[in-house]
Amino acid sequence: AQSVTQLDSQVPVFEEAPVELRCNYSSSVSVYLFWYVQYPNQGLQLLLKYLSGSTLVKGINGFEAEFNKSQTSFHLRKPSVHISDTAEYFCAVSEGSGGGADGLTFGKGTHLIIQP
Amino acid sequence: DVKVTQSSRYLVKRTGEKVFLECVQDMDHENMFWYRQDPGLGLRLIYFSYDVKMKEKGDIPEGYSVSREKKERFSLILESASTNQTSMYLCASSLIRARLMNTEAFFGQGTRLTVV
Repeated sequence: AQSVTQLDSQVPVFEEAPVELRCNYSSSVSVYLFWYVQYPNQGLQLLLKYLSGSTLVKGINGFEAEFNKSQTSFHLRKPSVHISDTAEYFCAVSEGSGGGADGLTFGKGTHLIIQP
Repeated sequence: DVKVTQSSRYLVKRTGEKVFLECVQDMDHENMFWYRQDPGLGLRLIYFSYDVKMKEKGDIPEGYSVSREKKERFSLILESASTNQTSMYLCASSLIRARLMNTEAFFGQGTRLTVV
């Protein structure tokens, strides 16, 4: 069975500072990895995804993430955050076993708080 | 744009009532999912469906059932609502993994259900 651990429930950062949100996963097979963002009172929106190929993936709003198979990690980064980045961020994994609809397994979320 | 529409943003129901949460997607996706979101617990999969009239239990199916009579519509049913089912409910849809390598899930805006 797959699982996702987001190590920080809350990350406060000053505006224009860099940020890293950590995500580790466990799975016995190959995986697809995702980061979603949830702004207040809204559904989830895809930030970026890793399916295969280059381990560094770029997403919307200046975010990027790096897949590290040996460390089973998929940390999210942004070099300079803006007040509008305040939101809940979810890491998710889907096992690449082919076919079917197993759904995504989500971490518990990290609340990114941008301080002026 | 993919659109996943949940019929209500906010609902208040009484204990013991039968509750229907409706979800419609307009992109001909095979997979549809129902998650509940609770603070500190992230998103947990209740049920999913990969085809009309097909359904599979997720991680927390107790107290819920689902219906998928048409491809575009996936309903979550609370047979007898209880206060511990007060939560945010999120519907999602995606293409089947075997059809395309893109397993991105698209989410609705969520329904905040309060059971009193």
